[in-house]
Amino acid sequence: TAGITQAPTSQILAAGRSMTLRCTQDMRHNAMYWYRQDLGLGLRLIHYSNTAGTTGKGEVPDGYSVSRANTDDFPLTLASAVPSQTSVYFCASSDSEHYGYTFGSGTRLTVV
Amino acid sequence: GQNIDQPTEMTATEGAIVQINCTYQTSGFNGLFWYQQHAGEAPTFLSYNVLDGLEEKGRFSSFLSRSKGYSYLLLKELQMKDSASYLCAVRDSNYQLIWGAGTKLIIKP
Repeated sequence: TAGITQAPTSQILAAGRSMTLRCTQDMRHNAMYWYRQDLGLGLRLIHYSNTAGTTGKGEVPDGYSVSRANTDDFPLTLASAVPSQTSVYFCASSDSEHYGYTFGSGTRLTVV
Repeated sequence: GQNIDQPTEMTATEGAIVQINCTYQTSGFNGLFWYQQHAGEAPTFLSYNVLDGLEEKGRFSSFLSRSKGYSYLLLKELQMKDSASYLCAVRDSNYQLIWGAGTKLIIKP
C-alpha cells in the first residue's frame, strides 16, 4: 500500500541521548514535513523540505535537524533529547495544492 | 500573529447533524482544509475549500467565507465512527499549513 512509513512507532529515550526518527514515502511527493502534536495544541511544524536537497525551518525547529538526500526519505534527528520533546511526531508529504497532506502513522516519543 | 480558532469539544447524538466552526486570521490565504483524526491515529484528509461556498462530499460538507475568515464542517446522519477530532488548517501566503488545535466530537447513542 502506497503511503508514508514512520519508525519507530514508539520510543522511550533518556534525556541527553540522540535519536533519529525515520520517514519514508513511496508516492514520489516533492514536499515533506515533520510535525509534533501535543495535547491542546495544533500540529506544529518542525522542519520541512519542498524538494530533495533543500530543507527549511518551521515554527519549532530548535533541538531538531533534518536532511533530504533523496525524494523518498526525510529523517528527523534529536541531537540531545530533553523532556519537553516528549510528543507525538508526524511525518507528512504533499504533491498537490488541492489535496493537502498525507500523514504517516506517527512516532510517540517519551523523553525521561 | 496567525490564529485558527475552533471549539475544543462538541457532543452530538447518533443520526443527528453537527456543525463544527473554524475562524482564522492568517498572513494570506491559499485554501482551507479539514482533517479527521481518530484517537491514536494520523490525520486524514476530508475536504478542501479555496473559493467561497459549500463543498459537499457524501455525509460531509464544508463551507468557506473568505471575507469573514470563517469555515464550517457539517456532518450529517452521524454515526458512532464519526467520533474523532476534526482539524481545521489554513494554507498561508508562504504555502505553509497553519493548524487549529482541533475539535473533539463525541457521538452519543
